[in-house]
Amino acid sequence: DQQVKQNSPSLSVQEGRISILNCDYTNSMFDYFLWYKKYPAEGPTFLISISSIKDKNEDGRFTVFLNKSAKHLSLHIVPSQPGDSAVYFCAASAWDDKIIFGKGTRLHILP
Amino acid sequence: DADVTQTPRNRITKTGKRIMLECSQTKGHDRMYWYRQDPGLGLRLIYYSFDVKDINKGEISDGYSVSRQAQAKFSLSLESAIPNQTALYFCATTEGPGNEQFFGPGTRLTVL
Repeated sequence: DQQVKQNSPSLSVQEGRISILNCDYTNSMFDYFLWYKKYPAEGPTFLISISSIKDKNEDGRFTVFLNKSAKHLSLHIVPSQPGDSAVYFCAASAWDDKIIFGKGTRLHILP
Repeated sequence: DADVTQTPRNRITKTGKRIMLECSQTKGHDRMYWYRQDPGLGLRLIYYSFDVKDINKGEISDGYSVSRQAQAKFSLSLESAIPNQTALYFCATTEGPGNEQFFGPGTRLTVL
């Protein structure tokens, strides 16, 4: 039973445009959501997070939106840059701090 | 120096062998985790530990065991390795709920 779902295995976006990565979850007890970025041969690195009491968090080019009623969150990257090409993981944690990851979305930024 | 280190970085072993993957962190965090990454399956939690006396099973703990030797060290063991344990293994640490996890660079394990 997959509690965190990233239904798009890959996404291609033109450089300079907006990249939107989506994530759905099933467990209403999740209270923190995090996005990680991963390059090949490296460990994931933290990008941005959001608490369940908020609906938006912004950090530079990265914005995360949370829709609790739909159990959906999205990561917006604008403008997209070549260095943004990577695999992006959505993750969620509940009271037990067991962090559950989605399967990831590979983002390709096209020149 | 890296906050989270893993050794070895690459390992090839044979079916039935015992192998240990080691993780050390300098963040001073109590919470440590072991994940495996398989193509198309993302990161799956194997074990996690909230302090040296607290060890918990994750989603896929069968075939694995762990040891929390100190706050800074968390080792993952495969008692009798099998080919479907071939994967990338990541160690991570975090300060607490809602905080980012800091990941190690990963160990690529191949079981022949």
